[in-house]
Amino acid sequence: GEEVAQTPKHLVRGEGQKAKLYCAPIKGHSYVFWYQQVLKNEFKFLISFQNENVFDETGMPKERFSAKCLPNSPCSLEIQATKLEDSAVYFCASSPGTASNNEQFFGPGTRLTVL
Amino acid sequence: TQLLEQSPQFLSIQEGENLTVYCNSSSVFSSLQWYRQEPGEGPVLLVTVVTGGEVKKLKRLTFQFGDARKDSSLHITAAQPGDTGLYLCAGRGFSGGYNKLIFGAGTRLAVHP
Repeated sequence: GEEVAQTPKHLVRGEGQKAKLYCAPIKGHSYVFWYQQVLKNEFKFLISFQNENVFDETGMPKERFSAKCLPNSPCSLEIQATKLEDSAVYFCASSPGTASNNEQFFGPGTRLTVL
Repeated sequence: TQLLEQSPQFLSIQEGENLTVYCNSSSVFSSLQWYRQEPGEGPVLLVTVVTGGEVKKLKRLTFQFGDARKDSSLHITAAQPGDTGLYLCAGRGFSGGYNKLIFGAGTRLAVHP
């Protein structure tokens, strides 16, 4: 598609439950990024993919967080056993390449609320 | 760790006034992007600056990249209520996952009629 699509728009989970978020990048874009935006507008990089391969996972919490980008499927970000501090808006972005002037296009985000 | 300090955090001005938002870092970035984010939406790219000293204009918005590629500014002339929103700067580094974006904390701008 012409835009990055994210589902669901809102997700509410009880503490300890699993949360799974989905992202469909712009068609033809090879790179997918996940960012977490917390209440104070701070964006934190989580992980990036080059096609189905992990490109950079330096921002991923070691425990509970995992992500995949499989061929012919939306990318996913999964949080096992959610905690209150996982409440945030999770943004997916895609990019055609890694040159300095390659733009990252952002989706509308998924707001996760952990109660 | 690369950090990008953005200021001011909040700005409330009257229509017609000028304003400048700053992003500063001790690190060099390969490029710097400015985004605008509306409530409930993802950031929308305004401009990318790549070359040290580069100046780009987008209507009433002027973006500048510092000569050393460590800082950038966004200047808005004759602000209008439609400029209200969250402005974010984001830099891309050179090494170790160089294509991820390092974001500033954002400047929330309110322009009053």
